[in-house]
Amino acid sequence: QVQLMQSGAEVRQPGASVKVSCKTSGYTFTGYGYYIHWVRQAPGQGLEWMGWINPETGTTRYAEKFQGRVTMTRDASISTADMDLNRLISDDTALYYCARSDYSNSDVVDYWGQGTLVTVSS
Amino acid sequence: QAVLTQPSSLSASPGASARLTCTLRSGIDVGADRIYWYQQKPGSPPQYLLRYKSDSDWQKGSGVPSRFSGSKDASANAGILLISGLQSEDEADYYCMIWHGSAVVFGGGTKLTVL
Repeated sequence: QVQLMQSGAEVRQPGASVKVSCKTSGYTFTGYGYYIHWVRQAPGQGLEWMGWINPETGTTRYAEKFQGRVTMTRDASISTADMDLNRLISDDTALYYCARSDYSNSDVVDYWGQGTLVTVSS
Repeated sequence: QAVLTQPSSLSASPGASARLTCTLRSGIDVGADRIYWYQQKPGSPPQYLLRYKSDSDWQKGSGVPSRFSGSKDASANAGILLISGLQSEDEADYYCMIWHGSAVVFGGGTKLTVL
C-alpha cells in the first residue's frame, strides 16, 4: 500500500533553516505523473500549498509566497523527497505535510504523510 | 480576493443535509475546473473525498460513503460538496482545492458542526 512517512518534529530558532523528509513506499516513486507536494498548516489554520516536485525529472514548482526560501529535492535511490525552508520566522511554525498527486487519476492529491511539526522559537 | 472562498463554518443536524460551497474568484470559470474536496479531522492529515467537474466527469475516493456528492452552481461560480444524512462522524473541516495552472490552491476550509 502507498505510504508517505515523514521525518520527526523539529525546533529551530528564527533565521535558521529546516529540512523535512518524506520517504515513500508502495508505488514507483519516479513513475510517470506522480508528483510530491508540500502543504503546511499553521496551528488552527487552513491548508497552504507550498509547491511540488516531479521525482521523475526533478522539476519543481513553488508557490510565489515561498519562492527564494524553499527548495524541494528528491533522492530517487531511496524514494525520498525533501523540503528545505530557510530564513525561518515564527509564522513558519506549522505542521508540514508531504502528499502525492497522480496524473493518471486526474491529478488527485490522494496520499498524505502524517505531518511534521516545525516550531520556530527563540 | 482569494482564489477559492469557503464559509468558515456551517452547522447542521444529524440526518439533515449539508451544502458546502467553494466559490471561485471572478475570472476563474468553475465550469472549466475540477474541484477536489478533502475532509480533515483533528490530529489527522486531510483525506481525499471526491473530485467533480461535471455529471460525466467526477470520482469519489476509495471508501467514501455514497452520501457524499459533488456538484456545481454555475450561477454562483461555485463548487458544491453535498453531504446527505449527516452523521456525527461527518463533523470535520472540509477543504476544496483546484489546480490553477501548474499550481495548487486550497480554499480556507469550512468547519462543519453536526449538532
